[in-house]
Amino acid sequence: EAGVTQSPTHLIKTRGQQATLRCSPISGHTSVYWYQQALGLGLQFLLWYDEGEERNRGNFPPRFSGRQFPNYSSELNVNALELEDSALYLCASSLVLEGQETQYFGPGTRLLVL
Amino acid sequence: AQSVAQPEDQVNVAEGNPLTVKCTYSVSGNPYLFWYVQYPNRGLQFLLKYITGDNLVKGSYGFEAEFNKSQTSFHLKKPSALVSDSALYFCAVRSRYTGFQKLVFGTGTRLLVSP
Repeated sequence: EAGVTQSPTHLIKTRGQQATLRCSPISGHTSVYWYQQALGLGLQFLLWYDEGEERNRGNFPPRFSGRQFPNYSSELNVNALELEDSALYLCASSLVLEGQETQYFGPGTRLLVL
Repeated sequence: AQSVAQPEDQVNVAEGNPLTVKCTYSVSGNPYLFWYVQYPNRGLQFLLKYITGDNLVKGSYGFEAEFNKSQTSFHLKKPSALVSDSALYFCAVRSRYTGFQKLVFGTGTRLLVSP
């Protein structure tokens, strides 16, 4: 069974540009989560999508946004990039089942903002 | 609010010796607890979880963790460490009493196993 996949693996942008990151969940999973892993800050929750809807977001500015498609894949968009947006962005997927689900993570997209 | 503490930034152990990576948590109600491992330039890999039942949970690669409700701890253990266990380990918690599935992670503990 294929795991969570993310693309691209690496992304280099300059300040002010926009970045688009993509995630394909494990087959059958309907929930997708996005996390930011910045150096020294640990893993911070960004966004949660389930069944095509944004269910919750973390403490990030509105320039971080995304969507989930009918096939449950997801996109994370970061507008007006800032230097501190440089981080590893991790996507996870799960199937909500009586609240006991496990989130499975993809390999991440490393974003570098110059 | 939920929180996780991993008090050690790094744990050093010799190959063949037992290892423990510590985790304490704070959450409203009963918790779901998870351990993940991250190898260099990779995503997080699920190791094990505690949902309910037996306090000793067995997971992947010979790892196990013990849930201690009175001490609000969920320490990760392995009887005999391997050099290949060297990686970054994250503990995470989620409350049962919320419809929101967000995991709260600790800051991570780097495990270094020497030959």
